[in-house]
Amino acid sequence: GAGVSQTPSNKVTEKGKYVELRCDPISGHTALYWYRQSLGQGPEFLIYFQGTGAADDSGLPNDRFFAVRPEGSVSTLKIQRTERGDSAVYLCASSSTWNSPLHFGNGTRLTVT
Amino acid sequence: DQQVKQNSPSLSVQEGRISILNCDYTNSMFDYFLWYKKYPAEGPTFLISISSIKDKNEDGRFTVFLNKSAKHLSLHIVPSQPGDSAVYFCAASGRNTGNQFYFGTGTSLTVIP
Repeated sequence: GAGVSQTPSNKVTEKGKYVELRCDPISGHTALYWYRQSLGQGPEFLIYFQGTGAADDSGLPNDRFFAVRPEGSVSTLKIQRTERGDSAVYLCASSSTWNSPLHFGNGTRLTVT
Repeated sequence: DQQVKQNSPSLSVQEGRISILNCDYTNSMFDYFLWYKKYPAEGPTFLISISSIKDKNEDGRFTVFLNKSAKHLSLHIVPSQPGDSAVYFCAASGRNTGNQFYFGTGTSLTVIP
């Protein structure tokens, strides 16, 4: 079946603007994760959803970052007042159950100019 | 605080020989370990996993070894093939460590034909 789909694949925005990044997980996967990967680093955890609720948002760096998953499927990561330090690849992953392997999308490369 | 460490940023191996990628962790509560492979402009792809009740798991050319007392795991690829050239990430999680997977910084493997 289809894998995890992330749109857009690339996003360039100006400092201070608002962006939304979308993730469409594998059908039937209840667990959804957002990670951020900066150059030369491994993926860093941002937020985890089990169903519709954010079960763990401890990785969100500050209150400019917010994510939703209103119907327990598609998720949107929202970043307000973007800063140049937000530039990174934002990865979404889903899994069938908690603590089973994550299946990643190809990511959205965000560049803040 | 890097809980999962990959101390070798890069590794070059001749085709047909064994590739050994290493990973160390600090959190004794981790009980599930995974290896991911990443090609440029793609998301990480799950390769192989091991739970802490085992010390070895094998899948074709890929074998993961876990040494709990040393808090060390390794991925062996034999024989190595040029298509194995990619960045490899190890990751870990635990039932008592929250809902996130912790990733290392990756090792870039180059298999020379």
